[in-house]
Amino acid sequence: DAEITQSPRHKITETGRQVTLACHQTWNHNNMFWYRQDLGHGLRLIHYSYGVQDTNKGEVSDGYSVSRSNTEDLPLTLESAASSQTSVYFCASSRGQGAGQETQYFGPGTRLLVL
Amino acid sequence: AQSVTQLDSHVSVSEGTPVLLRCNYSSSYSPSLFWYVQHPNKGLQLLLKYTSAATLVKGINGFEAEFKKSETSFHLTKPSAHMSDAAEYFCVVSDKGGGSYIPTFGRGTSLIVHP
Repeated sequence: DAEITQSPRHKITETGRQVTLACHQTWNHNNMFWYRQDLGHGLRLIHYSYGVQDTNKGEVSDGYSVSRSNTEDLPLTLESAASSQTSVYFCASSRGQGAGQETQYFGPGTRLLVL
Repeated sequence: AQSVTQLDSHVSVSEGTPVLLRCNYSSSYSPSLFWYVQHPNKGLQLLLKYTSAATLVKGINGFEAEFKKSETSFHLTKPSAHMSDAAEYFCVVSDKGGGSYIPTFGRGTSLIVHP
């Protein structure tokens, strides 16, 4: 069955370190998204991609970067981790053909703690 | 710009009683609207979506929502709550503002179901 996976599921790191969170989908979806979830804020969009070599900034992109070299993967990199980036991170994908009406499929999330 | 407001951060009901989770939206275009559910320590899953067809939308697990343009609302209801409905619920709006469809999430409503 097609799925979307994230790794690691849990990560502890130190302030200033570079961290990369992986997201892999086998739906063959064009669109991929990264969100962070914090208490009282719901999900906030970090970066998104509409296809290979396409990346765009979301609402809370400062301190994060992504690259899309193939359809299946959209890794999220924290260039220099900060305590404010302690959060739960969700990756999602959608088909990319329905212009706003599409269902997003979410991964299980990665819990990141920055000490 | 689009926005979405979930009017209650927590809703508490008894098992077997009706559920009402309220959502108001703001959009300058014809929006698509979604409800997603997140069970503890899980990713998000689509409950239902409105995409300009029938205004009363039926979803999974007995949930439904009605799109009311005059009231800019998309409230989620269920006639009889079950213990397994206890979860976080997110209302999402997506329109063509800015030339691309980017979903905006509400802050979430935590549904508590008492035996």
